[in-house]
Amino acid sequence: DQQVKQNSPSLSVQEGRISILNCDYTNSMFDYFLWYKKYPAEGPTFLISISSIKDKNEDGRFTVFLNKSAKHLSLHIVPSQPGDSAVYFCAASAYQTGANNLFFGTGTRLTVIP
Amino acid sequence: DGGITQSPKYLFRKEGQNVTLSCEQNLNHDAMYWYRQDPGQGLRLIYYSQIVNDFQKGDIAEGYSVSREKKESFPLTVTSAQKNPTAFYLCASSIFSGVSYNEQFFGPGTRLTVL
Repeated sequence: DQQVKQNSPSLSVQEGRISILNCDYTNSMFDYFLWYKKYPAEGPTFLISISSIKDKNEDGRFTVFLNKSAKHLSLHIVPSQPGDSAVYFCAASAYQTGANNLFFGTGTRLTVIP
Repeated sequence: DGGITQSPKYLFRKEGQNVTLSCEQNLNHDAMYWYRQDPGQGLRLIYYSQIVNDFQKGDIAEGYSVSREKKESFPLTVTSAQKNPTAFYLCASSIFSGVSYNEQFFGPGTRLTVL
C-alpha cells in the first residue's frame, strides 16, 4: 500500500524554465515532508523539507508547497539547470508513528534539457 | 570528513548464499536504517535501529537480519530466505529524537546481484 505517490515517473524541462514535481499522500497523520535528490548509483541527498504547520518553504531555487486539504505537495525548481537532472523522491513522516520513519514515493526522473 | 560509507559498491553472490552488507557512519547519529530500492519503486524500509543493541523490522524485513553492536555500525545480512535479493541497498542515519524531525543522510549504496 503506497502511502506516498509520485504519479509522474518522468519530466523533461528546458533549461531556465520552471520544473514542478508533484507528490500525493494518503495518510492524514503525515506531518513532515521531505524531498530528496538522487543521482544514479548514489545515495539520495536531502534537498528541502516542510512541516505541516506551513504551506510553503523556500531555499534558493527550490520551493516546496504543501496543500494539506488536498494531501498534495509540490517541488518547484526555478530556474532549472542541467545539473538538476536526477531522480527526485518525495518522503513523509508522522510524529505519532515515529518521527524518524520515512515513507518514500516512487520517484520522478527530471531531465533538464540545455 | 563526516559521512556514511557502504562497502562494497557492487557485490555478486550465488543463489543460496548469505551475504553481509557493511554500513558505517561517523556522524555520531543514534539512528540507522536500511532501505532497498528496486527499479521503478521508491525506497522501502527493511530494518531500523534507534539505539545500540536495539532494532525494529521495517516494511520488508523477511529474509534479512541486522545487528547493532556499535553506534557506528549497522550491518545487514541478506539470507538465502530472501526470495528476490537482487537490488540496490541503501543505508542511512539520522539524529534520533522522539520529539522532532530530522532528515536522514544516506550512504552511496551497494548494488547486490545474486546469480
